[in-house]
Amino acid sequence: NAGVMQNPRHLVRRRGQEARLRCSPVKGHSHVYWYRQLPEEGLKFMVYLQKENIIDESGMPKERFSAEFPKEGPSILRIQQVVRGDSAAYFCASSLELLTGGTGELFFGEGSRLTVL
Amino acid sequence: SQQGEEDPQALSIQEGENATMNCSYKTSINNLQWYRQNSGRGLVHLILIRSNEREKHSGRLRVTLDTSKKSSSLLITASRAADTASYFCATGSYNTDKLIFGTGTRLQVFP
Repeated sequence: NAGVMQNPRHLVRRRGQEARLRCSPVKGHSHVYWYRQLPEEGLKFMVYLQKENIIDESGMPKERFSAEFPKEGPSILRIQQVVRGDSAAYFCASSLELLTGGTGELFFGEGSRLTVL
Repeated sequence: SQQGEEDPQALSIQEGENATMNCSYKTSINNLQWYRQNSGRGLVHLILIRSNEREKHSGRLRVTLDTSKKSSSLLITASRAADTASYFCATGSYNTDKLIFGTGTRLQVFP
């Protein structure tokens, strides 16, 4: 059973380019989360999606960032016109059940490390 | 926003010693979880404790939760060099559909 698969693992972009990060959740998981981690820091929540729906995007910058989880295919985190401050590790996680139930845990991918030159 | 603050930020011990990490949080929760992250890797779930539980064990891990003080601790007994990693607490609540992570404790276990 494959876990959460993220790609690319490493991505280098120049300022102004676009970055697309992909995430395939654990098979059977319909809840997908994206987190961002700066070096030596904790994880900051960005967005929570279910199939074809953005449920909570309260942690996502209003501009340049977007996320989707289509009916078919992986979840995509898209960063347009990247700036140096976007350099970070972006982690995707999935869960089998709603976290509000109090028993759900997150399964994480290995992350995508974005470097903006 | 960060929910959990962990303490200490960094901890260095010798193999065989116990390691204790603490987590404090701010709002009401329905569960608290601990995760481990090896350098350059993703997070791995270690243990979950529900708000109506006070203590939980899993192998060499012992977690306590004090909801009156809004704090939790993770104890790793008889530590090994392979326990070297960052450890994060994360909280969930009834009215939010995400986990909020703490700032983490970096544990170094020397052989």
